[in-house]
Amino acid sequence: AQRVTQPEKLLSVFKGAPVELKCNYSYSGSPELFWYVQYSRQRLQLLLRHISRESIKGFTADLNKGETSFHLKKPFAQEEDSAMYYCALSGLGGQNFVFGPGTRLSVLP
Amino acid sequence: EAGVVQSPRYKIIEKKQPVAFWCNPISGHNTLYWYRQNLGQGPELLIRYENEEAVDDSQLPKDRFSAERLKGVDSTLKIQPAELGDSAVYLCASSMEGQFYEQYFGPGTRLTVT
Repeated sequence: AQRVTQPEKLLSVFKGAPVELKCNYSYSGSPELFWYVQYSRQRLQLLLRHISRESIKGFTADLNKGETSFHLKKPFAQEEDSAMYYCALSGLGGQNFVFGPGTRLSVLP
Repeated sequence: EAGVVQSPRYKIIEKKQPVAFWCNPISGHNTLYWYRQNLGQGPELLIRYENEEAVDDSQLPKDRFSAERLKGVDSTLKIQPAELGDSAVYLCASSMEGQFYEQYFGPGTRLTVT
């Protein structure tokens, strides 16, 4: 069965430090991977998807099929990056859409 | 554009009572999703509609949960009867046809069952 794990419930870093939010998945097939973000008092929203290979707000994520991982990285964290981050996957055509449990990122001044 | 609208925002009921949640998606979005989010967890998909057709309801507890999207626009999710374990945030999301990766979420309804 498809599953997404995010081992850290809370990650605290200082402003300007690099940040890496871990995501591992299990899926029998070729999934699509995503990162969603929820800022304080805002709605859950898409941050990036692996297919687009974009850098959004300085964040990047590389799909590593060998390690079944999709870690989210940013070289220099900013205070406004503080939020809940959810890794998610789906099968073909959006089937079996699954979210991970989330990691709360806290960027300290 | 108001985005995805959900009501009510908060609901407190006693166990065994019925409850209903309403969702109006973004205009033009064919696909509508209902999720349940328990405290400390990520959203869990309950049902997905393409227009008025439920195309994925495998995670919907059909003994007590039901959903409808009669005209392919707004949708209602119902629980009858509610149990203590149903306390959660119920999220509605919508997306354009085929763009399942970019779901727009509503603010959610926080349900407390006492």
